[in-house]
Amino acid sequence: KAGVTQTPRYLIKTRGQQVTLSCSPISGHRSVSWYQQTPGQGLQFLFEYFSETQRNKGNFPGRFSGRQFSNSRSEMNVSTLELGDSALYLCASSWQGYLDNSPLHFGNGTRLTVT
Amino acid sequence: GNSVTQMEGPVTLSEEAFLTINCTYTATGYPSLFWYVQYPGEGLQLLLKATKADDKGSNKGFEATYRKETTSFHLEKGSVQVSDSAVYFCALSEDTDKLIFGTGTRLQVFP
Repeated sequence: KAGVTQTPRYLIKTRGQQVTLSCSPISGHRSVSWYQQTPGQGLQFLFEYFSETQRNKGNFPGRFSGRQFSNSRSEMNVSTLELGDSALYLCASSWQGYLDNSPLHFGNGTRLTVT
Repeated sequence: GNSVTQMEGPVTLSEEAFLTINCTYTATGYPSLFWYVQYPGEGLQLLLKATKADDKGSNKGFEATYRKETTSFHLEKGSVQVSDSAVYFCALSEDTDKLIFGTGTRLQVFP
């Protein structure tokens, strides 16, 4: 069974640009969550989608947005990039998430560098 | 708000030594508690979890017990191996998929 796949693995963007990251969950999983990992702030929750609806959201500015498609694949978008957005972005999927106490399976992440 | 506090790293041990990584939490309700491990260049893997007080999670020789009275979930292993070298994260969640992580503890095991 394929794991959580995130593309691309690496991205380099300049300030002011926007970026879209993609996540394909494990087959059959309906919940997809996104996390930002930085040396300074650690791992922080961005948002979670379930059946194409945002179910939970962290404390990030509106420049960070996401969506989920009918096949459960998810994308997150960051507009007007800032240097501080440089981070490893991790996607995680689960069957139904907290509804059935199923564990999160993480992808290997997309490393975004903003110059 | 909810939070997780982990001991600072790195933790440096010789192979076969005993491991303890301390984790305490603050929560308004009755959270589920987790330990995740991150190997270099990879995402996080769930190591073990406990969903209620006095539960013991265990996996691959690692154990942690949910202690409500001390709000702790310390990770232990009786005999570490070089392959256990990684960053370990303690985390909690309260009835949502929003995980709140500690800052992580790097473990280095030398032969």
